[in-house]
Amino acid sequence: GQSLEQPSEVTAVEGAIVQINCTYQTSGFYGLSWYQQHDGGAPTFLSYNALDGLEETGRFSSFLSRSDSYGYLLLQELQMKDSASYFCAGVSGGSYIPTFGRGTSLIVHP
Amino acid sequence: DAGVIQSPRHEVTEMGQEVTLRCKPISGHDYLFWYRQTMMRGLELLIYFNNNVPIDDSGMPEDRFSAKMPNASFSTLKIQPSEPRDSAVYFCASTPASLAGGPSYNEQFFGPGTRLTVL
Repeated sequence: GQSLEQPSEVTAVEGAIVQINCTYQTSGFYGLSWYQQHDGGAPTFLSYNALDGLEETGRFSSFLSRSDSYGYLLLQELQMKDSASYFCAGVSGGSYIPTFGRGTSLIVHP
Repeated sequence: DAGVIQSPRHEVTEMGQEVTLRCKPISGHDYLFWYRQTMMRGLELLIYFNNNVPIDDSGMPEDRFSAKMPNASFSTLKIQPSEPRDSAVYFCASTPASLAGGPSYNEQFFGPGTRLTVL
Protein backbone atom coordinates (compact mmCIF):
# COMPACT_ATOMS: atom_id res chain seq x y z
CA GLY A 1 0.00 0.00 0.00
CA GLN A 2 0.87 3.63 -0.05
CA SER A 3 0.62 6.60 2.29
CA LEU A 4 1.65 10.15 1.58
CA GLU A 5 2.00 12.95 4.11
CA GLN A 6 1.87 16.63 3.33
CA PRO A 7 1.11 19.72 5.45
CA SER A 8 -2.55 20.67 5.60
CA GLU A 9 -1.97 24.37 5.07
CA VAL A 10 0.75 26.78 4.02
CA THR A 11 0.52 30.56 3.86
CA ALA A 12 2.78 32.99 2.02
CA VAL A 13 2.79 36.49 0.60
CA GLU A 14 2.57 37.52 -3.00
CA GLY A 15 5.94 37.45 -4.75
CA ALA A 16 7.48 35.05 -2.26
CA ILE A 17 8.73 31.49 -2.72
CA VAL A 18 6.98 28.58 -1.02
CA GLN A 19 7.83 24.90 -0.73
CA ILE A 20 5.22 22.19 -0.17
CA ASN A 21 6.69 18.95 1.12
CA CYS A 22 5.50 15.42 0.60
CA THR A 23 6.83 12.30 2.28
CA TYR A 24 5.71 8.90 1.21
CA GLN A 25 5.75 5.30 2.27
CA THR A 26 5.02 3.04 -0.59
CA SER A 27 5.98 -0.35 -1.84
CA GLY A 28 7.33 -0.48 -5.35
CA PHE A 29 7.48 3.30 -5.62
CA TYR A 30 7.73 4.46 -9.21
CA GLY A 31 7.24 8.23 -9.26
CA LEU A 32 5.60 11.29 -7.72
CA SER A 33 3.08 13.59 -9.37
CA TRP A 34 1.74 16.96 -8.28
CA TYR A 35 -1.72 18.35 -8.95
CA GLN A 36 -3.32 21.74 -8.35
CA GLN A 37 -6.97 22.17 -7.46
CA HIS A 38 -8.74 25.50 -7.10
CA ASP A 39 -11.86 25.73 -4.96
CA GLY A 40 -14.77 24.25 -6.86
CA GLY A 41 -12.51 23.00 -9.63
CA ALA A 42 -10.94 19.76 -10.73
CA PRO A 43 -7.39 18.59 -10.02
CA THR A 44 -5.05 19.54 -12.83
CA PHE A 45 -1.66 18.00 -13.43
CA LEU A 46 1.45 20.07 -12.67
CA SER A 47 4.47 17.80 -12.78
CA TYR A 48 5.87 14.29 -12.46
CA ASN A 49 9.20 13.06 -11.13
CA ALA A 50 10.45 9.56 -11.73
CA LEU A 51 14.11 10.32 -11.16
CA ASP A 52 15.88 12.10 -8.33
CA GLY A 53 16.39 15.79 -8.83
CA LEU A 54 14.59 18.93 -9.78
CA GLU A 55 12.14 19.37 -12.65
CA GLU A 56 11.39 22.95 -13.58
CA THR A 57 8.31 24.20 -15.40
CA GLY A 58 8.07 27.96 -15.38
CA ARG A 59 7.42 29.26 -11.88
CA PHE A 60 6.84 25.76 -10.56
CA SER A 61 9.49 23.16 -9.83
CA SER A 62 9.23 19.70 -8.35
CA PHE A 63 11.92 17.73 -6.58
CA LEU A 64 12.28 14.07 -5.69
CA SER A 65 14.68 12.18 -3.46
CA ARG A 66 13.97 8.47 -3.67
CA SER A 67 16.51 7.63 -0.97
CA ASP A 68 14.70 9.93 1.47
CA SER A 69 11.18 9.03 0.25
CA TYR A 70 10.59 12.73 -0.05
CA GLY A 71 9.57 15.27 -2.61
CA TYR A 72 8.49 18.86 -2.77
CA LEU A 73 6.78 21.36 -4.98
CA LEU A 74 8.41 24.77 -5.19
CA LEU A 75 6.39 27.76 -6.28
CA GLN A 76 8.25 30.96 -7.09
CA GLU A 77 7.04 34.53 -7.62
CA LEU A 78 3.78 33.67 -5.94
CA GLN A 79 0.62 35.19 -7.34
CA MET A 80 -2.82 35.45 -5.79
CA LYS A 81 -4.11 32.96 -8.35
CA ASP A 82 -1.76 30.34 -6.89
CA SER A 83 -4.06 30.08 -3.88
CA ALA A 84 -5.32 26.52 -4.23
CA SER A 85 -4.88 23.01 -2.89
CA TYR A 86 -1.84 21.06 -4.01
CA PHE A 87 -1.78 17.28 -3.98
CA CYS A 88 1.14 14.93 -4.25
CA ALA A 89 0.35 11.53 -5.74
CA GLY A 90 2.56 8.49 -5.52
CA VAL A 91 2.68 5.95 -8.31
CA SER A 92 3.64 2.35 -7.64
CA GLY A 93 5.04 -0.02 -10.20
CA GLY A 94 2.64 -2.75 -11.17
CA SER A 95 -0.68 -0.98 -11.34
CA TYR A 96 0.75 2.50 -12.04
CA ILE A 97 -2.34 3.94 -10.41
CA PRO A 98 -1.62 7.06 -8.33
CA THR A 99 -2.50 7.35 -4.67
CA PHE A 100 -3.21 10.93 -3.63
CA GLY A 101 -2.13 12.68 -0.46
CA ARG A 102 -4.66 14.70 1.55
CA GLY A 103 -3.59 17.94 -0.08
CA THR A 104 -2.03 21.20 1.10
CA SER A 105 -4.07 24.37 1.06
CA LEU A 106 -1.88 27.25 -0.07
CA ILE A 107 -3.09 30.71 0.90
CA VAL A 108 -1.36 33.62 -0.79
CA HIS A 109 -1.75 36.99 0.90
CA PRO A 110 -1.24 40.36 -0.81
CA ASP B 1 -10.79 17.95 -27.56
CA ALA B 2 -13.38 19.03 -25.00
CA GLY B 3 -11.69 17.18 -22.17
CA VAL B 4 -13.43 14.81 -19.80
CA ILE B 5 -17.14 15.58 -19.61
CA GLN B 6 -19.28 14.85 -16.58
CA SER B 7 -22.96 15.27 -15.95
CA PRO B 8 -24.77 16.48 -14.05
CA ARG B 9 -22.54 19.12 -12.48
CA HIS B 10 -24.75 19.31 -9.42
CA GLU B 11 -27.22 16.82 -8.06
CA VAL B 12 -29.43 17.20 -5.03
CA THR B 13 -31.52 14.23 -4.07
CA GLU B 14 -33.26 12.70 -1.13
CA MET B 15 -32.07 9.73 0.85
CA GLY B 16 -33.14 6.48 -0.72
CA GLN B 17 -33.24 7.76 -4.27
CA GLU B 18 -31.16 6.36 -7.09
CA VAL B 19 -28.40 8.59 -8.42
CA THR B 20 -26.62 8.14 -11.73
CA LEU B 21 -23.48 10.06 -12.58
CA ARG B 22 -22.17 10.13 -16.14
CA CYS B 23 -18.77 10.51 -17.70
CA LYS B 24 -17.37 10.82 -21.19
CA PRO B 25 -13.60 10.32 -21.25
CA ILE B 26 -11.19 11.94 -23.67
CA SER B 27 -11.30 10.16 -27.00
CA GLY B 28 -8.50 7.64 -27.32
CA HIS B 29 -7.87 7.28 -23.61
CA ASP B 30 -7.86 3.64 -22.57
CA TYR B 31 -8.20 4.14 -18.82
CA LEU B 32 -11.10 5.66 -16.93
CA PHE B 33 -11.18 6.34 -13.20
CA TRP B 34 -13.92 7.30 -10.76
CA TYR B 35 -12.90 9.24 -7.65
CA ARG B 36 -14.78 10.61 -4.66
CA GLN B 37 -13.58 13.69 -2.80
CA THR B 38 -14.65 14.72 0.70
CA MET B 39 -13.07 16.87 3.37
CA MET B 40 -12.85 13.92 5.70
CA ARG B 41 -11.33 11.34 3.37
CA GLY B 42 -9.68 13.37 0.64
CA LEU B 43 -9.54 12.04 -2.91
CA GLU B 44 -10.37 8.34 -3.02
CA LEU B 45 -10.19 6.04 -6.02
CA LEU B 46 -13.43 4.09 -6.31
CA ILE B 47 -12.91 2.03 -9.47
CA TYR B 48 -11.03 2.10 -12.72
CA PHE B 49 -11.52 0.59 -16.16
CA ASN B 50 -9.13 -0.43 -18.90
CA ASN B 51 -10.65 -0.71 -22.36
CA ASN B 52 -14.13 -0.73 -20.82
CA VAL B 53 -13.32 -3.59 -18.44
CA PRO B 54 -13.37 -2.95 -14.68
CA ILE B 55 -9.91 -3.70 -13.32
CA ASP B 56 -10.05 -2.74 -9.66
CA ASP B 57 -13.22 -1.91 -7.74
CA SER B 58 -11.74 -2.35 -4.29
CA GLY B 59 -12.42 1.31 -3.52
CA MET B 60 -16.16 1.02 -4.06
CA PRO B 61 -17.52 1.61 -0.57
CA GLU B 62 -20.36 -0.90 -0.62
CA ASP B 63 -22.87 -2.73 -2.76
CA ARG B 64 -24.99 0.36 -3.14
CA PHE B 65 -22.35 1.62 -5.56
CA SER B 66 -21.97 0.22 -9.07
CA ALA B 67 -20.15 1.39 -12.17
CA LYS B 68 -20.36 0.43 -15.80
CA MET B 69 -18.57 1.30 -18.99
CA PRO B 70 -20.66 -0.02 -21.90
CA ASN B 71 -18.37 1.54 -24.51
CA ALA B 72 -15.17 3.54 -24.85
CA SER B 73 -16.93 6.88 -24.68
CA PHE B 74 -19.29 6.49 -21.76
CA SER B 75 -19.30 5.40 -18.14
CA THR B 76 -21.80 5.61 -15.31
CA LEU B 77 -21.52 5.50 -11.55
CA LYS B 78 -24.75 4.58 -9.83
CA ILE B 79 -25.71 4.82 -6.18
CA GLN B 80 -28.84 2.97 -5.15
CA PRO B 81 -30.16 3.72 -2.60
CA SER B 82 -28.35 6.95 -1.82
CA GLU B 83 -27.55 8.04 1.73
CA PRO B 84 -26.51 11.41 3.20
CA ARG B 85 -22.97 10.13 3.78
CA ASP B 86 -22.61 9.74 0.01
CA SER B 87 -22.60 13.52 -0.31
CA ALA B 88 -19.30 14.41 -2.00
CA VAL B 89 -17.77 15.57 -5.24
CA TYR B 90 -17.36 12.70 -7.69
CA PHE B 91 -14.67 13.03 -10.32
CA CYS B 92 -14.11 11.04 -13.44
CA ALA B 93 -10.62 11.00 -14.94
CA SER B 94 -9.06 9.40 -17.99
CA THR B 95 -5.57 8.71 -19.21
CA PRO B 96 -4.04 7.07 -22.26
CA ALA B 97 -2.07 3.87 -22.17
CA SER B 98 1.67 4.15 -21.78
CA LEU B 99 4.12 2.66 -24.24
CA ALA B 100 4.71 -0.10 -21.70
CA GLY B 101 1.05 -1.04 -21.80
CA GLY B 102 -0.17 0.15 -18.45
CA PRO B 103 -1.83 3.51 -17.82
CA SER B 104 0.15 6.64 -18.52
CA TYR B 105 1.30 7.04 -14.97
CA ASN B 106 2.35 10.63 -14.93
CA GLU B 107 -0.86 12.51 -15.71
CA GLN B 108 -4.55 11.97 -15.26
CA PHE B 109 -7.09 14.25 -16.90
CA PHE B 110 -9.96 15.08 -14.58
CA GLY B 111 -13.48 16.09 -15.45
CA PRO B 112 -15.16 19.04 -13.70
CA GLY B 113 -16.83 16.77 -11.16
CA THR B 114 -20.38 16.21 -9.96
CA ARG B 115 -21.27 17.73 -6.62
CA LEU B 116 -23.75 15.34 -5.01
CA THR B 117 -25.87 16.31 -2.05
CA VAL B 118 -28.08 13.68 -0.47
CA LEU B 119 -30.61 15.11 1.96
